[in-house]
Amino acid sequence: ETAVFQTPNYHVTQVGNEVSFNCKQTLGHDTMYWYKQDSKKLLKIMFSYNNKQLIVNETVPRRFSPQSSDKAHLNLRIKSVEPEDSAVYLCASSWPGQLYFGEGSKLTVL
Amino acid sequence: DAKTTQPDSMESTEGETVHLPCSHATISGNEYIYWYRQVPLQGPEYVTHGLQQNTTNSMAFLAIASDRKSSTLILTHVSLRDAAVYHCILRANTGANTGKLTFGHGTILRVHP
Repeated sequence: ETAVFQTPNYHVTQVGNEVSFNCKQTLGHDTMYWYKQDSKKLLKIMFSYNNKQLIVNETVPRRFSPQSSDKAHLNLRIKSVEPEDSAVYLCASSWPGQLYFGEGSKLTVL
Repeated sequence: DAKTTQPDSMESTEGETVHLPCSHATISGNEYIYWYRQVPLQGPEYVTHGLQQNTTNSMAFLAIASDRKSSTLILTHVSLRDAAVYHCILRANTGANTGKLTFGHGTILRVHP
């Protein structure tokens, strides 16, 4: 039963374009995350927000920027995509420690 | 920087009991052991977690060694739906890293009819 919703689920674009992924959770959690899963299926945390405040910002390129309007929403914007940005981006929310993931947003950069 | 070690893959047959091992020799006293599983085209799904005592729920039984340096996720009567990548992860419950989970490659569990 999905409670973390991501859109779009798939996106194909060209190098240099801007991309945005949206995430909404209906669980009432205070903390939300963005993870990146590469072609080798390794999951790496990118950002973590607690009640609209950035609390974790791993070393990611500056072209990535998270945006949170309220604690139920955490969007991810990529200003000028590069080929290495091709991956699945997973949004999650947590109640302490237990993560609930969305289905993922697969980005393909041509 | 995954702090856990798991076999790359394991094979099983429907109806069997499967033991998925995880080594975490450098686990800290405030770290919980979490298990997640992921099937293709889906995000990871929570399976179970524990600190020191063995735990059980509808999905699995988690056996934690007395020194906490290893754990085993036990799946009974596996079905084809249990085929997934199983991740063993440590999570601190204090300090700045509370809630942050670091995933490794996990164990690919294949289930044969």
